[in-house]
Amino acid sequence: QLVLTQSPSASASLGASVKLTCTLSSGHSSYAIAWHQQQPEKGPRYLMKLNSDGSHSKGDGIPDRFSGSSSGAERYLTISSLQSEDEADYYCQTWGTGIWGVFGGGTKLTVL
Amino acid sequence: EVQLLESGGGLVQPGGSLRLSCAASGFTFSSYAMSWVRQAPGKGLEWVSAISGSGGSTYYADSVKGRFTISRDNSKNTLYLQMNSLRAEDTAVYYCAKDGHTVPVAGSTELDYWGQGTLVTVSS
Repeated sequence: QLVLTQSPSASASLGASVKLTCTLSSGHSSYAIAWHQQQPEKGPRYLMKLNSDGSHSKGDGIPDRFSGSSSGAERYLTISSLQSEDEADYYCQTWGTGIWGVFGGGTKLTVL
Repeated sequence: EVQLLESGGGLVQPGGSLRLSCAASGFTFSSYAMSWVRQAPGKGLEWVSAISGSGGSTYYADSVKGRFTISRDNSKNTLYLQMNSLRAEDTAVYYCAKDGHTVPVAGSTELDYWGQGTLVTVSS
């Protein structure tokens, strides 16, 4: 069964970097995922599509501070030079067969 | 500029019905699949339903199958979600989202634009 697993929380200091992880369930390591950001009291915003080979395509206006990488079944979102507005919930998302649309549980990022 | 504008949310009693709409602009609407995604208060995102660009294929989460119906009018650039037999657990902000493909593709599809959401409250 297709499942995306994310850590519930992460934190990092202003100006530092942070790496968030989304893990695909067994048998789905070739899948691409998308990363989405949801700032407090706002709707989600598409950040990027991240392929299994680490290549990625970002959404409109997404700063270079946001990048993606992959290793096996793990998909990473790295945010460098953290700013206060990066404090948000981050979700990974993909599409399966039979179970269709799937979201991870989300990671709440705190900028210290 | 891609814009997605949801409407139709509100307060409804358990067992009642509601129809959500999503007006799209800034892209060739019929060329892309569309999804509805919801978020219950204080919870994460939950995918609800999707429809292919032509409208010929529809997809539902188990939690809404048989109660919700997704449709689209490509002549009006509008996506719909008909919600029947509503339950308290359907209370959420409902977002429409554009897919990057004409038909959702396993292991490849991404939702690349989102609306601002409309709140549905199911309560007596």
